Amino acid sequence: DTGVSQNPRHKITKRGQNVTFRCDPISEHNRLYWYRQTLGQGPEFLTYFQNEAQLEKSRLLSDRFSAERPKGSFSTLEIQRTEQGDSAMYLCASSSGKGAGEQYFGPGTRLTVT
Amino acid sequence: GDSVTQMEGPVTLSEEAFLTINCTYTATGYPSLFWYVQYPGEGLQLLLKATKADDKGSNKGFEATYRKETTSFHLEKGSVQVSDSAVYFCALSPYSGGGADGLTFGKGTHLIIQP
Repeated sequence: DTGVSQNPRHKITKRGQNVTFRCDPISEHNRLYWYRQTLGQGPEFLTYFQNEAQLEKSRLLSDRFSAERPKGSFSTLEIQRTEQGDSAMYLCASSSGKGAGEQYFGPGTRLTVT
Repeated sequence: GDSVTQMEGPVTLSEEAFLTINCTYTATGYPSLFWYVQYPGEGLQLLLKATKADDKGSNKGFEATYRKETTSFHLEKGSVQVSDSAVYFCALSPYSGGGADGLTFGKGTHLIIQP
């Protein structure tokens, strides 16, 4: 169990550029989640996959946000035409779907939009 | 919709003091409840969990009891250490045992333990 990994850990981009983040879940976990966390707040749920199927995407913040998990393993989160308000920590979590449904989080990708 | 309310911080205590961090929730159905901890510079770590009324979750000397009648899941520790300094998040999952949707988090409570 190597834990959830995310890349890059930090991303600085200029307003209007597109960015893509990657998440590698714990290998035996079939559920994968994306969250956004801003300073002084708890994580905010964005979207969720079970295997390759995206089962919840209504909470994505705008149509500039999209996520994929093409082979049911790693996932990517893309933000198009970034805005300064997109600056935040983007967290990925995975779960086996068993037990209490606990989720295990990666270290996050910190996005700064200048 | 679902919501979680935590006491606001920062909470500052002396080493070996008793800790309580209050958490109340609003949810339909029978949620699972969690406490996560975020140490400085690190990611969120699951601290403890409970899936049904009167369950007590415990880990590393921390405890929390799922109280359905008061919709609460307060975090307690009998004797805190400097190493417990961190931000603590209370969270709920709407489906007990399912994990079929995202977690709803409180805003977090920053705990500072002074030697």
